[in-house]
Amino acid sequence: GAVVSQHPSWVICKSGTSVKIECRSLDFQATTMFWYRQFPKQSLMLMATSNEGSKATYEQGVEKDKFLINHASLTLSTLTVTSAHPEDSSFYICSASPDRDYGYTFGSGTRLTVV
Amino acid sequence: DAKTTQPPSMDCAEGRAANLPCNHSTISGNEYVYWYRQIHSQGPQYIIHGLKNNETNEMASLIITEDRKSSTLILPHATLRDTAVYYCIVRVGRGGSNYKLTFGKGTLLTVNP
Repeated sequence: GAVVSQHPSWVICKSGTSVKIECRSLDFQATTMFWYRQFPKQSLMLMATSNEGSKATYEQGVEKDKFLINHASLTLSTLTVTSAHPEDSSFYICSASPDRDYGYTFGSGTRLTVV
Repeated sequence: DAKTTQPPSMDCAEGRAANLPCNHSTISGNEYVYWYRQIHSQGPQYIIHGLKNNETNEMASLIITEDRKSSTLILPHATLRDTAVYYCIVRVGRGGSNYKLTFGKGTLLTVNP
């Protein structure tokens, strides 16, 4: 149990366009999901906490107008990278936890390349 | 959340036990120790967590010192597929809460044939 599905696995987009990444909890409900970003050879950096039915909480230094997060249901959170630029190219990962004594489950990640 | 210190890299022979240390000398009484690993270009995978007692599951064992200032993750029979970056994280609360995970640099474990 406790599966988190992330889509797409990889995406290439042109500079200036927007890209949406989906994160779904398949067999549990998640009132909270987390979005991370990882640059090559670096650790995961938390970007924001996605809360179902309310505004996301962004970490310091993360532009909320650039990284739009929507958590419209208990099983789906989306991250939209708006007006993407090459420096936004990165590995984006989401995570969530079922409401029991269980470690957080991570999605398989989305490799974004902006050209 | 308390910070952790891990060696940047370790090597292990296939079939042998891999012992990965983690120092968390500033851990608070209500903070749990979590271990995750990340295989290249994949999302992190939960391994095990504990508060103060030693824990074992099908993947690994977690040994926490009596003063809780350090812990060791043990992979009893390492395989080539265990090559990954292993993260030790301390965090308030148990799974299912809203408390976020903060990742350090972790330990790159390389299992050699």
